Amino acid sequence: NAGVTQTPKFQVLKTGQSMTLQCAQDMNHNSMYWYRQDPGMGLRLIYYSASEGTTDKGEVPNGYNVSRLNKREFSLRLESAAPSQTSVYFCASSETQRNEKLFFGSGTQLSVL
Amino acid sequence: AQSVSQHNHHVILSEAASLELGCNYSYGGTVNLFWYVQYPGQHLQLLLKYFSGDPLVKGIKGFEAEFIKSKFSFNLRKPSVQWSDTAEYFCAVKRAGSYQLTFGKGTKLSVIP
Repeated sequence: NAGVTQTPKFQVLKTGQSMTLQCAQDMNHNSMYWYRQDPGMGLRLIYYSASEGTTDKGEVPNGYNVSRLNKREFSLRLESAAPSQTSVYFCASSETQRNEKLFFGSGTQLSVL
Repeated sequence: AQSVSQHNHHVILSEAASLELGCNYSYGGTVNLFWYVQYPGQHLQLLLKYFSGDPLVKGIKGFEAEFIKSKFSFNLRKPSVQWSDTAEYFCAVKRAGSYQLTFGKGTKLSVIP
């Protein structure tokens, strides 16, 4: 069982470059999430998708866009990367709307120079 | 907006010592409460959760947490820590019916053999 798979694991960008972080889950979960983790800040929700076809802003959505491509896949796009977006990004999914348990991917470490 | 406070940034214990990590939240309504753990180099995984019922909940690896509604607290405890418990621990809160999980900033636990 792969669970939640994120690609890439590491990425270095120059300021102004764009990129898309990919996330896929094979657990038939309805809800998917993107978080960023910064030292001393914990995890902060960027965007989430309660179900296929819907997306909503979380706590820190500025500078990001998302696409729920299908039930399995939820991508995060940085249109014009900034140094403030240097972080570790985690994708997560949950089975039900009650969000009883999140399953996390292994993370993408992104550096913006 | 709800917030989650974890009192300790870094806790250092010797093996067999008892552990208590504090967590307080600010939301006054019905909440669901979680503790997640992130072992070095790994992604987050659920330790335990509280939704309703017995306020003392038991999780994996001998951890437990007590929900005290009057104190808006959900402290994590373990009677005797092991070196393998070295990790970062995150408290998280979700308003009942909401999708958004709010994480605390995390407490890093270092257990000395």
